[in-house]
Amino acid sequence: AQTVTQSQPEMSVQEAETVTLSCTYDTSESDYYLFWYKQPPSRQMILVIRQEAYKQQNATENRFSVNFQKAAKSFSLKISDSQLGDAAMYFCAHVWGAQKLVFGQGTRLTINP
Amino acid sequence: DTGVSQDPRHKITKRGQNVTFRCDPISEHNRLYWYRQTLGQGPEFLTYFQNEAQLEKSRLLSDRFSAERPKGSFSTLEIQRTEQGDSAMYLCASSLDRGSEASQETQYFGPGTRLLVL
Repeated sequence: AQTVTQSQPEMSVQEAETVTLSCTYDTSESDYYLFWYKQPPSRQMILVIRQEAYKQQNATENRFSVNFQKAAKSFSLKISDSQLGDAAMYFCAHVWGAQKLVFGQGTRLTINP
Repeated sequence: DTGVSQDPRHKITKRGQNVTFRCDPISEHNRLYWYRQTLGQGPEFLTYFQNEAQLEKSRLLSDRFSAERPKGSFSTLEIQRTEQGDSAMYLCASSLDRGSEASQETQYFGPGTRLLVL
């Protein structure tokens, strides 16, 4: 079975600092995609960043970047210059084949002013 | 483009009642997905449509659940004889499948319908 594991239920960081959220996944597929989604309290899930497994270059979107280690099946999210608006649940997700997303359990990120 | 919309946003019902939720995807998106999210957990896949065809259903989707997308646009998810265990957030997402095996279009989520079964 395809699984996604986020081992950090909660993380906190000081405003303007950098934080890294961890994610590992298990798949037998060679061609797949990985995503980080953000879900603020009582608000809808929005895409933060995506990574194609066939690309060696790590994806970057402004202050958000990933460290994709395909052999280790690891996909961490780094948030630089953390802002109060970054506070949310962050979900790592994996998709292949039939394109149904498989999500991790989530990491609740708190930003301390 | 107004994004994915869902209606209602909240639903409280009594055990044994039937409920129906609606999802309107982004207008040009041909794929539509339903997920269920319980408190403190990540969403779990329920079912998805390619245009009007329902292509896959999860084991989570018991025979009390039925989903339709009759004209390939909006979709409905009905739960019959609701149980307390059905209480959850029901999320809809849509994407544009361009038909290439190499492409994986991003799924965009709606705000969800939060169901509470008393």
